[in-house]
Amino acid sequence: NAGVTQTPKFQVLKTGQSMTLQCAQDMNHNSMYWYRQDPGMGLRLIYYSASEGTTDKGEVPNGYNVSRLNKREFSLRLESAAPSQTSVYFCASTWNYLTDTQYFGPGTRLTVL
Amino acid sequence: KQEVTQIPAALSVPEGENLVLNCSFTDSAIYNLQWFRQDPGKGLTSLLLIQSSQREQTSGRLNASLDKSSGRSTLYIAASQPGDSATYLCAVKPNYGQNFVFGPGTRLSVLP
Repeated sequence: NAGVTQTPKFQVLKTGQSMTLQCAQDMNHNSMYWYRQDPGMGLRLIYYSASEGTTDKGEVPNGYNVSRLNKREFSLRLESAAPSQTSVYFCASTWNYLTDTQYFGPGTRLTVL
Repeated sequence: KQEVTQIPAALSVPEGENLVLNCSFTDSAIYNLQWFRQDPGKGLTSLLLIQSSQREQTSGRLNASLDKSSGRSTLYIAASQPGDSATYLCAVKPNYGQNFVFGPGTRLSVLP
């Protein structure tokens, strides 16, 4: 099993450009998450998908959109990138969010100039 | 609103020492608490998960305890090794919503 995979690993954007971060899991997990990690701020939840076909906002959703394409895939889109979105982005998944651990992908390091 | 803090922010110890990392949370209404390890430039790896009804969990040289009433958890690492050097994060799952709330982490350096 590959676990949770993310693409790309690194990306540099100019202000105003758009891009989509891809995430896939092969563990048949129901719930998937997008976090951002910033120095001194810890991990903050952007959006999550409790199950296929549903998505909900987390703590910091402004400037982002998500799509739960199927049970395996959960993408994060930046429509008009801003320097404040420079961060490391992690995707995670879990079978049961009440009782089970989250499994994390390796992250995407995004710089917006 | 649930808040999670971790003290100390950084810790250096010589190889072989036993050590304790601390995690505090403000709201005791949680489903579970998890400890993660993060190596530089990598994702998070789950170490231990403690359900709210449990007091502790053990895995090898790691032991995590949970005291919900005082809003505290500790991660005990026995006989530390240089390979234990990493950032350790705790996260709580509140009794509401899907959000997990993470602490800022403790950066551990184990010196040979």
